[in-house]
Amino acid sequence: EVQLVESGGGLVQPGGSLKLSCAASGFTFSDHIMDWVRQAPGKGLEWIGRGRNKAKSYTTEYAASVRGRFTISRDDSKSSLYLQMNSLKVEDTAVYYCSRLYESSGYYYSDSWGQGTLVTVSA
Amino acid sequence: DIQMTQSPSSLSASVGDRVTITCRASQSISTSLNWYQQRPGKAPRLLIYAASSLQSGVPSRFSGSGSGTDFTLTISSLQPEDFATYFCQQAYITRWAFGQGTKVEIK
Repeated sequence: EVQLVESGGGLVQPGGSLKLSCAASGFTFSDHIMDWVRQAPGKGLEWIGRGRNKAKSYTTEYAASVRGRFTISRDDSKSSLYLQMNSLKVEDTAVYYCSRLYESSGYYYSDSWGQGTLVTVSA
Repeated sequence: DIQMTQSPSSLSASVGDRVTITCRASQSISTSLNWYQQRPGKAPRLLIYAASSLQSGVPSRFSGSGSGTDFTLTISSLQPEDFATYFCQQAYITRWAFGQGTKVEIK
């Protein structure tokens, strides 16, 4: 069974930093591209970034809202994805989800999601 | 970036009703369109990928259609467990974007 478990959320002051983790199990993590998606309280889903696999040279992509402040990394030996968040703003308050990308006949989609971890940015 | 717009933002329906949700992309995305369901306090769940392909394990009352800029998610006979929020997502370009969501409520 595919499992994704996020951790590392919590309360942080504006301007602070936090590192989220996503532990994967039940599949070959190194084969998959992984995403981070967030959801502010009572709001919709926002794609924030992608960490590609070795086959795609471990490249990353970011939404404009977090580019330059957030960094995605991964450790295939630990089947884990990370999100380093710096210079946090109040508007970064959200539940953060990691998701696994799956490809079928050239189409990509997020077929598995973690339960999310809450990040609260407040003074 | 590509913008996704869903309509309506919310709707009220009864068990057994046929429900249709629309999603429009700001430019053509071919059929690179996914639909997700999210129940309160839960993670999103994939329903439909590539505009019309049903994800494994998803009931057949869910269906998707469309291409280019206009897409539709249909629930043929609404069940109690279908009361949730539905999001479309474009997967055509790298910086994926979601629609704002459609909340399906009990009438």
